[in-house]
Amino acid sequence: QKEVEQDPGPLSVPEGAIVSLNCTYSNSAFQYFMWYRQYSRKGPELLMYTYSSGNKEDGRFTAQVDKSSKYISLFIRDSQPSDSATYLCAMRGGGKLIFGQGTELSVKP
Amino acid sequence: EAGVAQSPRYKIIEKRQSVAFWCNPISGHATLYWYQQILGQGPKLLIQFQNNGVVDDSQLPKDRFSAERLKGVDSTLKIQPAKLEDSAVYLCASSRTIDSTNYGYTFGSGTRLTVV
Repeated sequence: QKEVEQDPGPLSVPEGAIVSLNCTYSNSAFQYFMWYRQYSRKGPELLMYTYSSGNKEDGRFTAQVDKSSKYISLFIRDSQPSDSATYLCAMRGGGKLIFGQGTELSVKP
Repeated sequence: EAGVAQSPRYKIIEKRQSVAFWCNPISGHATLYWYQQILGQGPKLLIQFQNNGVVDDSQLPKDRFSAERLKGVDSTLKIQPAKLEDSAVYLCASSRTIDSTNYGYTFGSGTRLTVV
């Protein structure tokens, strides 16, 4: 069983849609939860991070963590074509950063 | 601040040849990481340095991969001999410390390796 599981998609939505991206994990040692965005032929860039269970909002993005269920989500409101990218969840514990396999998102104008 | 620099951007080699990648982290970042990202997958950690010492190389295929970070600044990753399954993007990342307060790392744009 992989430590981090992420639905690879691809996911295609119309502009303005609400997007939900999800990851599950198995390692209870994970303490920090992150979402990275990766544009084509670029390295991942940190989008959001959370430490505890609950929600964290940043503009159109909301990160949600449920430690009891070992489940994290990223919601994108009013999605834009510029949001088209691969979204990677990542979890850190014990000095290691473990990534999910990424979900490819395409937002159509 | 300047980002993480990597070179070359692209490399095509034949199997059994050798190849080397270079990374220059953000100035002042003590921790440096090499990740391998196979197409359609998330990045996988190969090796982690703290200054010029190795912290974790448990997933580095040591029979063919080697890495060094002399003087605790820039780093090189080498593959010798390369196999077809080594085709991937090799990403370098750095962070201020192992327990970086921003909880994330800064990545370079990567080196795309194709082994034919």
